[in-house]
Formats: sequence, structure tokens, C-alpha cells
Amino acid sequence: DGGITQSPKYLFRKEGQNVTLSCEQNLNHDAMYWYRQDPGQGLRLIYYSQIVNDFQKGDIAEGYSVSREKKESFPLTVTSAQKNPTAFYLCASSNAGGGRYAYEQYFGPGTRLTVT
Amino acid sequence: SQKIEQNSEALNIQEGKTATLTCNYTNYSPAYLQWYRQDPGRGPVFLLLIRENEKEKRKERLKVTFDTTLKQSLFHITASQPADSATYLCALEDDKIIFGKGTRLHILP
Repeated sequence: DGGITQSPKYLFRKEGQNVTLSCEQNLNHDAMYWYRQDPGQGLRLIYYSQIVNDFQKGDIAEGYSVSREKKESFPLTVTSAQKNPTAFYLCASSNAGGGRYAYEQYFGPGTRLTVT
Repeated sequence: SQKIEQNSEALNIQEGKTATLTCNYTNYSPAYLQWYRQDPGRGPVFLLLIRENEKEKRKERLKVTFDTTLKQSLFHITASQPADSATYLCALEDDKIIFGKGTRLHILP
């Protein structure tokens, strides 16, 4: 089955610890994205990547880091510098064409991170 | 400032009626606009994409309109069913995709 997977579905961490969220896709998509969703809020873009070994900051990149060493994988690290890390994190992928995001995004099931 | 606005209040519609959701935007000139469905605790699912040169797009019971003069898109679900209950997000392109906060739709049996 083609798709995008995120693991784990639920993650609990103590404050001050870094945590890495996994995102894998087998859709052969060039572009991948990380969003954060809080209750009553829309999706906010954290980081995105159009090609391997390249990524750009989104609107709320502070306290997060990413890597894109393989086309299929785009892990997100939530560092201890992120002030309010508890949230629902969504990974997505899409075809990327000409620098304009004219393609629909395919989302993973999400990871709910709770930091106490 | 740039805004993309969807009705933040939940929309309750009787089963069988047409549900209409609104997406308004300001200070954007998107080349296209998308609609997604999101169920609680899950990732959004793409429904429809409409380009700036298209007035209307249909897919089964779904219809989307895009008025670049009014800076508005309308999303219609005809013959609505309880299974259509979800949050619907609009998204527009502005160098990257920007999502609205979504409108919760409840179809009442």
C-alpha cells in the first residue's frame, strides 16, 4: 500500500528532553512537510523540504530541527528549546513542481506529543 | 495583513440538505485553492483543488467555487449524510500552502 506513516501515534516526554518524530512515505514524492496543530488552530508549517538534503523553515521553526537524508524520510526533532511542545504533529508529502505547490498534500495519521 | 478565514462556529445541517462552507481570504492572490476533510485525531484528506481560472469544480456530491474578485471559495456538499460530519479545511497557495482553521460540520440525522 502506498502511503505516509508516522510513528508513534502517542508520545510522552519529560520537559527538557529532545524527541524525534518519524515520518516515512513510499509515494515517491519529492516534497515533505511538518505541521503542528493545536486545538482551535489551523495547521502551522514548521519545516518543509522540496528535495533530498535541502529544507526550509516554515512559520514556526524555532525549537525544531529536521533532516532529509533520504527521499522517503523526513524526521522532526522537537528540542528542549521549544517552549510549548505539546501538540498534534502532522507530516505530509506531495509532488513538487516548479517551486509552486500546485499539488495536493497527503497527510500521515499524526503523532500526539505530550510533554510534562 | 494576510488572512484566510473560515467560519469558526460549527455548522449544523439536516441530513439530505446541502451544506455550504465558506473560505474568505485577504491580501493573497492564490493561483489555486484546495479543500481538505479532517476527522478527529486524524490527518487531513485532500478533496478538491480549484485553479484561479476555474469558476467551479465538482466531484460526486461535492462542488467548489472560486471567486477571485470576491476572494472567496464556497464548498458545497449536496444530499448530505451523517458520514459527512467532519472538519473541513481550505488551503491556498502563497509560495507555500496556507491552511485555514477549518469549519466543523455536523450532519444531523
